[in-house]
Amino acid sequence: SSELTQDPAVSVALGQTVRITCQGDSLRSYYASWYQQKPGQAPVLVIYGKNNRPSGIPDRFSGSSSGNTASLTITGAQAEDEADYYCNSRDSSGNHHYVFGTGTKVTVL
Amino acid sequence: QLQLQESGPGLVKPSETLSLTCTVSGGSISSSSYYWGWIRQPPGKGLEWIGSIYYSGSTYYNPSLKSRVTISVDTSKNQFSLKLSSVTAADTAVYYCARQKIVVVITHCFDYWGQGTLVTVSS
Repeated sequence: SSELTQDPAVSVALGQTVRITCQGDSLRSYYASWYQQKPGQAPVLVIYGKNNRPSGIPDRFSGSSSGNTASLTITGAQAEDEADYYCNSRDSSGNHHYVFGTGTKVTVL
Repeated sequence: QLQLQESGPGLVKPSETLSLTCTVSGGSISSSSYYWGWIRQPPGKGLEWIGSIYYSGSTYYNPSLKSRVTISVDTSKNQFSLKLSSVTAADTAVYYCARQKIVVVITHCFDYWGQGTLVTVSS
């Protein structure tokens, strides 16, 4: 399957920890990358590879992977972390084809 | 600082061809470390990868769009372009261009994005 499935929405209390998951067969072979998207803005890369953060991304964002599931964890969520989050990976066909997850809306309470 | 900027018509008629260009500044499109991709997002919906191109001209397309998509590169202008033929209302979306970094075969990411441009398909 070339699909990546995410929970549609999660909520987290300010300062608490939230984990966002992404499931798909391709994740057994390829790492996911994760993107944050706020309304009206382009996506921003927050995590890629095993657990790599681009310059400027706070260290409260971390990534992990196990089996067919990739996870993005926000430790100590801030109000500005409220956004849509998408995972992305190469699909399992072996070709250079890429697929995005269905997206998760994170609400910070 | 690398910047990408999409340009093209914001309104396209059904059955016609959508054409967009992405201009890259602050870096060379001919870098061997990167591919260059197009991603779209229909209003209120999720992201969809359209396709990617290497500076040499090698292309990879989303199988669901492959019959209608052409991506090309002009290294002399530091630009790459998207053409999507036979458009319908379902192709109405914000279209983004992005730099795609492939770190190793199992790791990639889209690390720089344009601001996006809304293309509406309507008569």
